Amino acid sequence: DQQVKQNSPSLSVQEGRISILNCDYTNSMFDYFLWYKKYPAEGPTFLISISSIKDKNEDGRFTVFLNKSAKHLSLHIVPSQPGDSAVYFCAASGEGTYKYIFGTGTRLKVLA
Amino acid sequence: DAEITQSPRHKITETGRQVTLACHQTWNHNNMFWYRQDLGHGLRLIHYSYGVQDTNKGEVSDGYSVSRSNTEDLPLTLESAASSQTSVYFCASSERSTNTEAFFGQGTRLTVV
Repeated sequence: DQQVKQNSPSLSVQEGRISILNCDYTNSMFDYFLWYKKYPAEGPTFLISISSIKDKNEDGRFTVFLNKSAKHLSLHIVPSQPGDSAVYFCAASGEGTYKYIFGTGTRLKVLA
Repeated sequence: DAEITQSPRHKITETGRQVTLACHQTWNHNNMFWYRQDLGHGLRLIHYSYGVQDTNKGEVSDGYSVSRSNTEDLPLTLESAASSQTSVYFCASSERSTNTEAFFGQGTRLTVV
């Protein structure tokens, strides 16, 4: 049973426009959510996170929104740049543990 | 700088052989994790450890084992390699606290023939 879901395997966006990546979760005990970015042949790198006590967290061009009632989070990238082309994973943690459950990833392609 | 390193980066092995993938971190993190990445499945948790002598099974632990004899290392062993274990393996570590991120190694690409 997939507790963290990314239903869009891929997304293409024009350079300078907004990229919106979505993530849904099923476990209401999750209380911390993260986004990771992964380039080919590299390990995932941490991008941004949000605690369940917040509904928005912003870091430069990246903003994560959390809708707890819908069990949904999204990552907004504005403006999108070609260097943002990568696979993005959302992850969740909680249930009184420190482990991270990841989604299946969304491949973002930013077109120049 | 503190870091987390995996070795080897690439490995080809035969079905039935025992294989050990190394993971070493200099962050002094208590928590360490092993994930595998497969197309369509994302990153799936194999095993994790919250400290020395502590190990726990993740969602896809069958055929794998880990041991934690010190803070820095969490080797992953495939007891008898199978073709279904061909994958890219990532090790990660994090502090023993909630609301913190994990840091990943560069990955090991394992091919079982």
